[in-house]
Amino acid sequence: AQSVSQHNHHVILSEAASLELGCNYSYGGTVNLFWYVQYPGQHLQLLLKYFSGDPLVKGIKGFEAEFIKSKFSFNLRKPSVQWSDTAEYFCAVISMFSGGYNKLIFGAGTRLAVHP
Amino acid sequence: DAGVIQSPRHEVTEMGQEVTLRCKPISGHNSLFWYRQTMMRGLELLIYFNNNVPIDDSGMPEDRFSAKMPNASFSTLKIQPSEPRDSAVYFCASSRTGEYTGELFFGEGSRLTVL
Repeated sequence: AQSVSQHNHHVILSEAASLELGCNYSYGGTVNLFWYVQYPGQHLQLLLKYFSGDPLVKGIKGFEAEFIKSKFSFNLRKPSVQWSDTAEYFCAVISMFSGGYNKLIFGAGTRLAVHP
Repeated sequence: DAGVIQSPRHEVTEMGQEVTLRCKPISGHNSLFWYRQTMMRGLELLIYFNNNVPIDDSGMPEDRFSAKMPNASFSTLKIQPSEPRDSAVYFCASSRTGEYTGELFFGEGSRLTVL
């Protein structure tokens, strides 16, 4: 079965520190990849997505992610975090196998706390 | 354009009562999803509709849960009877017509507390 693994459940950083959140998925075919963010008390919002093309994708608020097909990874990065980045981050994957319904699979999420 | 609209935002009820959660997807989106979020289980897909037809309801916990989508602009998720373990935040999400790419637009959620 398809699965998405997020390596860190909780991350605590100081402002201006660099961030990297790991995400690995199990499916070997063509996939679309996403990072969603959920700020405290709010709904999930799309942070960035990868469908095809340049494996380094840039999203909102200075976030970027790199798709490494050989490693089945889609890690999220930000060079310098801010207090306002405190949120929960979800990696999500959907296989693009044609001919049927494909389910978007979410990882368990990583809670990021940024201290001033 | 308005986003996905859910109501109520908060619901507190007693065990055994019926709960109805409502969702209005983004206009023009023909796929609708109900998710449940808890600390223990994270985000779980409950049911997925495409063109108002349930495509995947394998995530619906049990017969106490039911969902309907009578038209393209409205869906309900009903729990009858409710139990304390149903306490969670229930999110509705929609996506565009055409090929399902996985890009979802979420509502603000309905926080349910069953006492």
